[in-house]
Amino acid sequence: EAGVTQFPSHSVIEKGQTVTLRCDPISGHDNLYWYRRVMGKEIKFLLHFVKESKQDESGMPNNRFLAERTGGTYSTLKVQPAELEDSGVYFCASSQGSGTATYEQYFGPGTRLTVT
Amino acid sequence: GQNIDQPTEMTATEGAIVQINCTYQTSGFNGLFWYQQHAGEAPTFLSYNVLDGLEEKGRFSSFLSRSKGYSYLLLKELQMKDSASYLCAVLNSGNTPLVFGKGTRLSVIA
Repeated sequence: EAGVTQFPSHSVIEKGQTVTLRCDPISGHDNLYWYRRVMGKEIKFLLHFVKESKQDESGMPNNRFLAERTGGTYSTLKVQPAELEDSGVYFCASSQGSGTATYEQYFGPGTRLTVT
Repeated sequence: GQNIDQPTEMTATEGAIVQINCTYQTSGFNGLFWYQQHAGEAPTFLSYNVLDGLEEKGRFSSFLSRSKGYSYLLLKELQMKDSASYLCAVLNSGNTPLVFGKGTRLSVIA
């Protein structure tokens, strides 16, 4: 079974440009999460999808960030326009739906975003 | 607020035992996870505790005390490949997002 995949693995862009990150969760996982780790800080939650619906977007820093999960499969996270403080590693995670015993979240390898 | 504390760095010798502690104060509690993360890779699941006590899985064990807001990860017979960051994370409820500590970077030396 394939794990959570993310694309690209690295992205270097200039301030003001746009970047779109993609996450493919494990097939059949209803829950999809976006997290971010800024240098020296802990991993922090951004957004949670249940299927195609946004369950919780309380962690999104501002309206420059837009996440979608059309069809309830893969998800994209767009940053437009990017700012220097958006630099960090963006992780995606997925988990099965309700009724599971452990609520384990499976993480992707992350996308390292550098804004210069 | 929510707060999860764990040591920033630890060093241990190959073949030894190391205990990584984690204390938490969170708005809800539905279990505590430990993840291992090698540099540049995905965090990988190690353990999940929701009841008090010790869960053993091979060389790794995890302990939880809900009344004390405390957990530890115990690694036995350390190997060089165990050098990694170890992340403590709390699940507030159901399928909600995880709340992470900053992670403990473990270095295993010969």
